[in-house]
Amino acid sequence: ETGVTQSPTHLIKTRGQQVTLRCSSQSGHNTVSWYQQALGQGPQFIFQYYREEENGRGNFPPRFSGLQFPNYSSELNVNALELDDSALYLCASSTRTSGSDTQYFGPGTRLTVL
Amino acid sequence: GDSVTQMEGPVTLSEEACLTINCTYTATGYPSLFWYVQYPGEGLQLLLKATKADDKGSNKGFEATYRKETTSFHLEKGSVQVSDSAVYFCALRTGGYQKVTFGTGTKLQVIP
Repeated sequence: ETGVTQSPTHLIKTRGQQVTLRCSSQSGHNTVSWYQQALGQGPQFIFQYYREEENGRGNFPPRFSGLQFPNYSSELNVNALELDDSALYLCASSTRTSGSDTQYFGPGTRLTVL
Repeated sequence: GDSVTQMEGPVTLSEEACLTINCTYTATGYPSLFWYVQYPGEGLQLLLKATKADDKGSNKGFEATYRKETTSFHLEKGSVQVSDSAVYFCALRTGGYQKVTFGTGTKLQVIP
């Protein structure tokens, strides 16, 4: 059973650019959630995808968008990057099975915006 | 809205000392509660969880008991090791979808 993987590991962008981060969910998981973790803070929920549809969103502007593909992998897109977008972006996968509500996290993508 | 409050760090302990990291929460309904650990340079790993009142989660010598009456989920370990040095996050999940709300994290440093 493979775990959650994310790419790239690190990324440097400049203000105003656009970025796409990728996540492959754990085998058998149909739900993907994305989180932003600023330095020294806890992760903040961005949004969640279930069966290719957005299913819940945190307090993030529309320039944060996502996709989920039929194989349940996912992308996080951020447009018009701002300096405050510099953070570790975490992807977590889970499955909507009764009695199971645990999210499994990937290693994250470290985004630096200059 | 949902929130998690955990004790400020960093916490510095000598090897074999006892550990308690306090965590309290505010939530609507009946949340599931979690402790995640983040080792330097790595992502989050689930350490333990409890899904209903009075449940005790345990793993790798760590324990936490879901206390509904005090809305707490304190993390404890009787004897810490240097390898336990990491950042520990208390978290909860409520709602129809699986959003997890995290605390700000407590950094633990264990010295030999």
